[in-house]
Amino acid sequence: EVQLLESGGDLAQPGESLRLSCAASGFTFSDYGMAWVRQAPGKGLEWVSAINNGGFNTYYAASVRGRFAISRDNSKNTLYLQMSSLRADDTAVYYCAKEAGHARPFDHWGQGTLVTVSP
Amino acid sequence: EIVLTQSPATLSVSAGERATLSCRASQSVTTNLAWYQQRPGQAPRLLIYDASNRATDIPARFSGSGSGTDFTLTISSLEPEDFAVYYCQQRLNSWTFGQGTKVEI
Repeated sequence: EVQLLESGGDLAQPGESLRLSCAASGFTFSDYGMAWVRQAPGKGLEWVSAINNGGFNTYYAASVRGRFAISRDNSKNTLYLQMSSLRADDTAVYYCAKEAGHARPFDHWGQGTLVTVSP
Repeated sequence: EIVLTQSPATLSVSAGERATLSCRASQSVTTNLAWYQQRPGQAPRLLIYDASNRATDIPARFSGSGSGTDFTLTISSLEPEDFAVYYCQQRLNSWTFGQGTKVEI
């Protein structure tokens, strides 16, 4: 059974940094692209960042480019999101999601971790 | 950037009725479109991929159609558990979600 377990969400002040982790199990992690998708309170889904299976290609939404960094450790079956220069509008539940294949939709999602940015 | 526009924003229906949700892309995404369901307090769940293929374990009452810029998700007979928010997503060029359609009683 595929499982994605996010952690690292917390309360942060504007300008601070946080690192999110997503521990994956139940599939061959190194075979699949992964992504982070966020959802602000009461709002819709927003794609944040993605990384290919090997970790060599990374992609970012314009809203986070230059502030967030996605990475993965295939030896630990773990996906990361390093978030810097946090702003109030980064407040959201952050979901880790697995791609079904290259350029395919997200077939599995974690339960999310809440990041709150507030003074 | 490809923009996806979903309509209506809210759809009020009764259990047993048919629901038709729309997703329009700002440029062609061929059939590279997926639909997700999100129930309150839960993570999204993949329903439909490649515009018309049901994902694993998705009931037959869910169907998708369309290509290019216009897509439809149809729920043939609403069950109580189908009252949720539905999102379309394209993966042809980067990743984009529509703003969602809430299906309510």
